[in-house]
Amino acid sequence: AQKVTQAQTEISVVEKEDVTLDCVYETRDTTYYLFWYKQPPSGELVFLIRRNSFDEQNEISGRYSWNFQKSTSSFNFTITASQVVDSAVYFCALSEVNYGGATNKLIFGTGTLLAVQP
Amino acid sequence: DTEVTQTPKHLVMGMTNKKSLKCEQHMGHRAMYWYKQKAKKPPELMFVYSYEKLSINESVPSRFSPECPNSSLLNLHLHALQPEDSALYLCASSQDGQGMGTEAFFGQGTRLTVV
Repeated sequence: AQKVTQAQTEISVVEKEDVTLDCVYETRDTTYYLFWYKQPPSGELVFLIRRNSFDEQNEISGRYSWNFQKSTSSFNFTITASQVVDSAVYFCALSEVNYGGATNKLIFGTGTLLAVQP
Repeated sequence: DTEVTQTPKHLVMGMTNKKSLKCEQHMGHRAMYWYKQKAKKPPELMFVYSYEKLSINESVPSRFSPECPNSSLLNLHLHALQPEDSALYLCASSQDGQGMGTEAFFGQGTRLTVV
């Protein structure tokens, strides 16, 4: 069965610190997709990144970087030089791909609440 | 324009009321979703529409009734809800309805309170 584990429930850092959010997933599919979403207090889930199972290349986007390692089934997210605006709940998600014509089902982890203190 | 618009933003309804949540996207996406999110929990999938047809119903009670009038609109009709149905209801859309793993874009949600 597919499963996403975010072991860190809450993380508190001081502004400008680097912080890594962990994500471990389980799936028996050979083709799958991983995502990170940010949910600020306003409620909207903001898409951050999508990675497919065949692409293990790490990615950097500004202060954000992602480390995908199939060997350990992990897809970790690092924020460099954190800012107060980064405070939010961050969800890692796994897409269960259905080739029968239906679409994706996102399986979310339980989320990590990141609090960045000024 | 990566926008999914949901109305209303807040809704308070009694257990005997009938109300509808609305969702709209103009990105040409062919898959649309309803998720339910309780406080401090991750979103849970309720329904998926792919090419305007219901493709996934996650065993949702019949007091929730989805409708997809066209490729841009998604409604969720509510009737005889219970207080435990109070939650944030999120609509999302994604470009591809064929299981290609395209990212979903979410609206801001409707905060529903059932009294």
